[in-house]
Amino acid sequence: AQSVTQPDIHITVSEGASLELRCNYSYGATPYLFWYVQSPGQGLQLLLKYFSGDTLVQGIKGFEAEFKRSQSSFNLRKPSVHWSDAAEYFCAVGGSQGNLIFGKGTKLSVKP
Amino acid sequence: EAGVVQSPRYKIIEKKQPVAFWCNPISGHNTLYWYRQNLGQGPELLIRYENEEAVDDSQLPKDRFSAERLKGVDSTLKIQPAELGDSAVYLCASSPPTPRTGYTFGSGTRLTVV
Repeated sequence: AQSVTQPDIHITVSEGASLELRCNYSYGATPYLFWYVQSPGQGLQLLLKYFSGDTLVQGIKGFEAEFKRSQSSFNLRKPSVHWSDAAEYFCAVGGSQGNLIFGKGTKLSVKP
Repeated sequence: EAGVVQSPRYKIIEKKQPVAFWCNPISGHNTLYWYRQNLGQGPELLIRYENEEAVDDSQLPKDRFSAERLKGVDSTLKIQPAELGDSAVYLCASSPPTPRTGYTFGSGTRLTVV
């Protein structure tokens, strides 16, 4: 069955530090992969997506993610975190039925 | 371009009462999804429409939940009667005909059942 695992429930980083959020997926074919961000009380905003081609994907707000097929991973990175990045981040895989399957999310806190 | 519009944003009801949520997808997006997001969890699919046809409703609790998408545009999700465990955020999303190229989410409806 298709699934997404985000091993870290909560991460705290200092402002200006680098960030990496982990995502592992289980999917039988070439996956479509997504990262979304959700601020409190808000809907989901797409950060970036991977369908094919270059395994390093650039997104909005300075985020990037790298698809590693051998590790079934799609980790999200940002070289320098800003206080406004504090939010919850969700990794998702496009399921065979056309819907998205989400991980449980990683909450990011940013220390001044 | 207007995004996916949902209403209401918040709803508080007593258990056993009915409630309905409305969603207007992005123009031209033929696929519409309803997701439920419990506190501290990722969204989970309730139902997916292709135009006006419900093509995946396997996760919809059909004893109390119903949905419709008349004319293949906007959609309504209903719960009757609501239970305490239905408290969650209900998210609507839509995507264009080109498969998987983009899912756009609405702001959601936060339901509290007391």
